[in-house]
Amino acid sequence: EVQLVESGGGLVQPGGSLRLSCAASGFTFSNYEMNWVRQAPGKGLEWVSYISSSGSTIYDADSVKGRFTISRDNAKNSLYLQMNSLRAEDTAVYYCAREAYDGGPFDYWGQGTLVTVSS
Amino acid sequence: QPLLTQSPSASASLGASVKLTCTLSSGHSSYAIAWHQQQPEKGPRYLMKVNSDGSHSKGDGIPGRFSVSSSGAERYLTISSLQSEDEADYYCQTWGTGIRVFGGGTKLTVL
Repeated sequence: EVQLVESGGGLVQPGGSLRLSCAASGFTFSNYEMNWVRQAPGKGLEWVSYISSSGSTIYDADSVKGRFTISRDNAKNSLYLQMNSLRAEDTAVYYCAREAYDGGPFDYWGQGTLVTVSS
Repeated sequence: QPLLTQSPSASASLGASVKLTCTLSSGHSSYAIAWHQQQPEKGPRYLMKVNSDGSHSKGDGIPGRFSVSSSGAERYLTISSLQSEDEADYYCQTWGTGIRVFGGGTKLTVL
């Protein structure tokens, strides 16, 4: 069974940092591209970052470029999101999502972890 | 880069059918899209992928009540025999080099 379990969310002050993790199981993690997606309270889904299966290619949404860094450790079956210079508008539930093997749709999602940026 | 447009809300009666629409922006009518369901207080769940020619694939365990189709720049999700648990937000998603995009979502109310 494919499982994606996020952790690391919490309350952080504006300008602070946080590192999210996503533990993957039930599939060969190193074969799949991965993403982070967020959802602000009462709002829709917003794509945040993408990383290729090897980690050699990364894409970021303009809203987080230069502040967030996606990475992965295939030996540990884990995906990460380092978030720096956090702003109030980064408050959201953050989901990790797997891309289908042939690319394109996000075919599995985690349950999400809440990040709250507030003083 | 592609943009996706969805109606904010839709409603239909229990046991009836409903067709949700996702529209690709001008110049992007050849793109495939995916549909995701998000029930209240839950994470999203992948439903189906539909290509521009209407060919499609389903996510694991998705019931046959869910179907997809395509016409020009529009991609459709049809839910038949509506059940109470189908009341949810539905998002379409597309992708390209360097970009992944979501529509604004449609909130489906089952009456």
